[in-house]
Amino acid sequence: ETGVTQTPRHLVMGMTNKKSLKCEQHLGHNAMYWYKQSAKKPLELMFVYNFKEQTENNSVPSRFSPECPNSSHLFLHLHTLQPEDSALYLCASSQSNAISYNEQFFGPGTRLTVL
Amino acid sequence: AQSVAQPEDQVNVAEGNPLTVKCTYSVSGNPYLFWYVQYPNRGLQFLLKYITGDNLVKGSYGFEAEFNKSQTSFHLKKPSALVSDSALYFCAVRDGADFGNEKLTFGTGTRLTIIP
Repeated sequence: ETGVTQTPRHLVMGMTNKKSLKCEQHLGHNAMYWYKQSAKKPLELMFVYNFKEQTENNSVPSRFSPECPNSSHLFLHLHTLQPEDSALYLCASSQSNAISYNEQFFGPGTRLTVL
Repeated sequence: AQSVAQPEDQVNVAEGNPLTVKCTYSVSGNPYLFWYVQYPNRGLQFLLKYITGDNLVKGSYGFEAEFNKSQTSFHLKKPSALVSDSALYFCAVRDGADFGNEKLTFGTGTRLTIIP
């Protein structure tokens, strides 16, 4: 495995529910990412955190709320989602460096279904 | 702006034959290029990257990729395909001119099927 874990692996929720996705990286990286993967669409970057600070919010609806309490943990809080939000949500981490660029390591993802 | 294109949704190759998965990119500065593989119900796994140096990059599982600046391409190759290579392959690019930008742009993916 890559050293990035995600829980839960599968989640089914109603549109009025509140739930949270959790990501943890054991690689000592300083940057963490949330991506959305939908069928037949490119991977969509949602949020980027660098040293716990959010550096990118890719026009994501406010029903998705990220939280990064430290450089090893990343959460995605979900509230009043829509059926079109059903997708695989992937977390990734990397060692961010302004001079060179290091690869991102991905977790296994959370398969989210919104009913 | 940075972008990447994978022109083939699906590639089928007979086991033992060489394989190529195509990728072209567009950046304003120097490109940082990556290939990832995704197996069913798994996250993306890093295969290889080009940052600078030799145009031929070798990576995991016997894969390699050739950086071609004039054609703005970074095709993934393997001399002899295995059935276990069947998976979804993603090319990704970051614009080296954009310091501080952590954004990787991914292609739409190519499904590679190796036929026994």
